[in-house]
Amino acid sequence: GENVEQHPSTLSVQEGDSAVIKCTYSDSASNYFPWYKQELGKRPQLIIDIRSNVGEKKDQRIAVTLNKTAKHFSLHITETQPEDSAVYFCAASKGGSYIPTFGRGTSLIVHP
Amino acid sequence: NAGVTQTPKFRVLKTGQSMTLLCAQDMNHEYMYWYRQDPGMGLRLIHYSVGEGTTAKGEVPDGYNVSRLKKQNFLLGLESAAPSQTSVYFCASSSLSGAGEQYFGPGTRLTVT
Repeated sequence: GENVEQHPSTLSVQEGDSAVIKCTYSDSASNYFPWYKQELGKRPQLIIDIRSNVGEKKDQRIAVTLNKTAKHFSLHITETQPEDSAVYFCAASKGGSYIPTFGRGTSLIVHP
Repeated sequence: NAGVTQTPKFRVLKTGQSMTLLCAQDMNHEYMYWYRQDPGMGLRLIHYSVGEGTTAKGEVPDGYNVSRLKKQNFLLGLESAAPSQTSVYFCASSSLSGAGEQYFGPGTRLTVT
């Protein structure tokens, strides 16, 4: 089955810095890669996703890049703010399966 | 439009007791899922359902059973709770006509003593 590795497990940055979280996947048939943000005590919520026919997608301060050849994708957050502090999960799934495999999560801490 | 709701929010069980967690969604989604979340382990899939009357095992199904008698509800049962089942349980749903985005419920914190 699919295996998703996520790094780092913890990331500490100063407000205004950029943050990058990386994930690798094992199944070359995976073609949908969502990122979820989970604030403390809350439910995970989708913040951005990308399909395998696209190399990069941006939404204001967040962006996701995908390298299908290397089987890795990354979340980029620019101009970080304290409210970006949360656990971020990446996931991968195959088209038509709707059964994602999640990474173990990255705890992002943004210091004011 | 409440989205995905879960009942109860918190529960404490003694070893060997049974309980049922209820998940409900009002978005007419075909897919529903049960996950458990433990520190450092991410979200692990317990069981899922691709439609009313169908269920399938996920990554960590042992000790759990599920049922989906109605499209909007997905029940997770623990027949004989064990301390290893202490966790936060999340239900989620997704639409076949969507891209694959999952909508999560607020979670149930279960402690087994």
